[in-house]
Amino acid sequence: DAGVIQSPRHEVTEMGQEVTLRCKPISGHDYLFWYRQTMMRGLELLIYFNNNVPIDDSGMPEDRFSAKMPNASFSTLKIQPSEPRDSAVYFCASSFGGPYNEQFFGPGTRLTVL
Amino acid sequence: GQSLEQPSEVTAVEGAIVQINCTYQTSGFYGLSWYQQHDGGAPTFLSYNGLDGLEETGRFSSFLSRSDSYGYLLLQELQMKDSASYFCAVRNSGNTPLVFGKGTRLSVIA
Repeated sequence: DAGVIQSPRHEVTEMGQEVTLRCKPISGHDYLFWYRQTMMRGLELLIYFNNNVPIDDSGMPEDRFSAKMPNASFSTLKIQPSEPRDSAVYFCASSFGGPYNEQFFGPGTRLTVL
Repeated sequence: GQSLEQPSEVTAVEGAIVQINCTYQTSGFYGLSWYQQHDGGAPTFLSYNGLDGLEETGRFSSFLSRSDSYGYLLLQELQMKDSASYFCAVRNSGNTPLVFGKGTRLSVIA
């Protein structure tokens, strides 16, 4: 079975550009999470969805960040405009049955904003 | 508020035993999980403790003491491939997501 799929795996962009990260959760999982990981701040939960509905976006750093989940098999995290401080690894994860259950992480997208 | 504390770095010798501690402060504590992350990789689930005591899975064991708000991950017969970051994560009561600690970077040396 395929795990969580993320694309792209690496993204290098210039400050001010729009960045879109994509995620396909494990089929049947009803929770989807977006995390950002940096050395300084560790693993930060940005937003999570339940059955495609955003439940808590309090971790989204600012209005430049937005996330959507148009259907059960696809989610996007968009940064517009991007800034150098957004450079990090962004993980998507999914779980079944509750946001507190085992989370299955994708391979991550390493974002570098120049 | 809530907090999780774990050492930032631990170094241990191949073949030895190492313990990675996690203390937490939270309301409505329900259980403690552990995740492993190799450099360049994604976090993967290792274990979950919902009750006090020791849970063993091969070379890895995890322990929880609710009265002390404390848990640890025990790795035995250390191998070089165990070099990774280890995160504890708290499950609180209610329908809320896991809260991850900042992780402990374990280096296994020869």
